[in-house]
Amino acid sequence: AQRVTQPEKLLSVFKGAPVELKCNYSYSGSPELFWYVQYSRQRLQLLLRHISRESIKGFTADLNKGETSFHLKKPFAQEEDSAMYYCAFNSGGGADGLTFGKGTHLIIQP
Amino acid sequence: EAEVAQSPRYKITEKSQAVAFWCDPISGHATLYWYRQILGQGPELLVQFQDESVVDDSQLPKDRFSAERLKGVDSTLKIQPAELGDSAMYLCASSQPMNTEAFFGQGTRLTVV
Repeated sequence: AQRVTQPEKLLSVFKGAPVELKCNYSYSGSPELFWYVQYSRQRLQLLLRHISRESIKGFTADLNKGETSFHLKKPFAQEEDSAMYYCAFNSGGGADGLTFGKGTHLIIQP
Repeated sequence: EAEVAQSPRYKITEKSQAVAFWCDPISGHATLYWYRQILGQGPELLVQFQDESVVDDSQLPKDRFSAERLKGVDSTLKIQPAELGDSAMYLCASSQPMNTEAFFGQGTRLTVV
């Protein structure tokens, strides 16, 4: 079955500490992986995707096909990073619909 | 900046009543999606349109849910009759053809009482 697993429902770290949000996926093909973020009172928006290999707001994510993982990392957390983070994938066929994980609520403490 | 518009923002309806949600995608976005997000879960795809055609409705409960995008622009999602378990956030998103970045609306929060 196609699914995304985000094992942490809640992750709390102090400002300046490293952050890693875990994501594992189950899919038999070659999916495209994404991280979406939802800040308080804002709409869901794309943070980054694996094909672009960009660093957005200091976040990076590397696709590990062997471990079927796409963990999100940031070396030094900032208070404005507090948000809900969703890992998602599609089948890799262009604009196909997304399969989302349940999300991780990241709280950055001052 | 162009955004996906949804209305209403909030809807309370009684069980067994009909309810409808509206979505206006970003201009020029041929692909439109409806997702349902139950509290504490991630969004779940209900239906995907390419222009006015349904591309994927495999997860749409067709006995009570229907979706249309008659002119390939705005879209309506309908539930009839509503059930208590339909209480959720209904999200609309759009994207350009073959572009994997989906832009989401603010959503419609449905409460069925």
